[in-house]
Amino acid sequence: GAVVSQHPSRVICKSGTSVKIECRSLDFQATTMFWYRQFPKQSLMLMATSNEGSKATYEQGVEKDKFLINHASLTLSTLTVTSAHPEDSSFYICSARWGGPTDTQYFGPGTRLTVL
Amino acid sequence: AQKVTQAQTEISVVEKEDVTLDCVYETRDTTYYLFWYKQPPSGELVFLIRRNSFDEQNEISGRYSWNFQKSTSSFNFTITASQVVDSAVYFCALSEAGYSSASKIIFGSGTRLSIRP
Repeated sequence: GAVVSQHPSRVICKSGTSVKIECRSLDFQATTMFWYRQFPKQSLMLMATSNEGSKATYEQGVEKDKFLINHASLTLSTLTVTSAHPEDSSFYICSARWGGPTDTQYFGPGTRLTVL
Repeated sequence: AQKVTQAQTEISVVEKEDVTLDCVYETRDTTYYLFWYKQPPSGELVFLIRRNSFDEQNEISGRYSWNFQKSTSSFNFTITASQVVDSAVYFCALSEAGYSSASKIIFGSGTRLSIRP
C-alpha cells in the first residue's frame, strides 16, 4: 500500500518555541492532506484540510495563526505549532488523499509532541 | 452533520471469546464511506476496512467480520476467537464519498479492547 511518513516521530520542546512537523506521501501525489490531533485516551479530531498551493481550511475552534499549515507540493505538507504551550502536547497525525481509482486516504505514523 | 457513536468505551474479554464492537453513524450524505481502524499502543493507525454505502454485504476477513445495516445506521465489527494481540483501541469512522467531496474522515470516540490471557 501507499506510504505516508511523518517527521519527527517524537519531539520535546520548551514552552514558547515553535515546532514544525512534516508529512510526506512517499510514492504518490496527494491531492489533499489532512491534519488530526489526538489527546491521550481521546479520539482523532480533524484540525485542518490542506490542498496543494492553496490556503488550508481549518475546523471550527482551531486557531489558524497558531497552527500554520503549508502545502507547497503534492507530496509535502507541514504543520507548524507556533509558540507552543504544554496544552499543545498531543499526538499529531496526518493523512494524504490519493485521488486515484480507489480515492483512498493513507495515514502517517504520527508525531508525539511534548511541550515542557 | 456527520457523527459517529461508539457507545462502548472499554471492553474486556478473555482470550478466545468472540467480541462485537458497536458503531452507529449519522449522515445526510447519500454516498459515504464507513471505516474501521485499529490503533495499537504504538499509536499508528492500522486500516481494517472501508465500506461504501451502496454495498451492504457483510464482510469477513479471517477472524474479523463486519455487519453493515443501513436501516439502523450501524456498522458493527466482530472479532471471533479473540487473541491477546487484538488488544487495542478500535475506531469506527465515516466520510463523504466521491471525488468532489472534501473526504474528511470523522472518527468515533473509540472502543478500548482488552483481551485477557
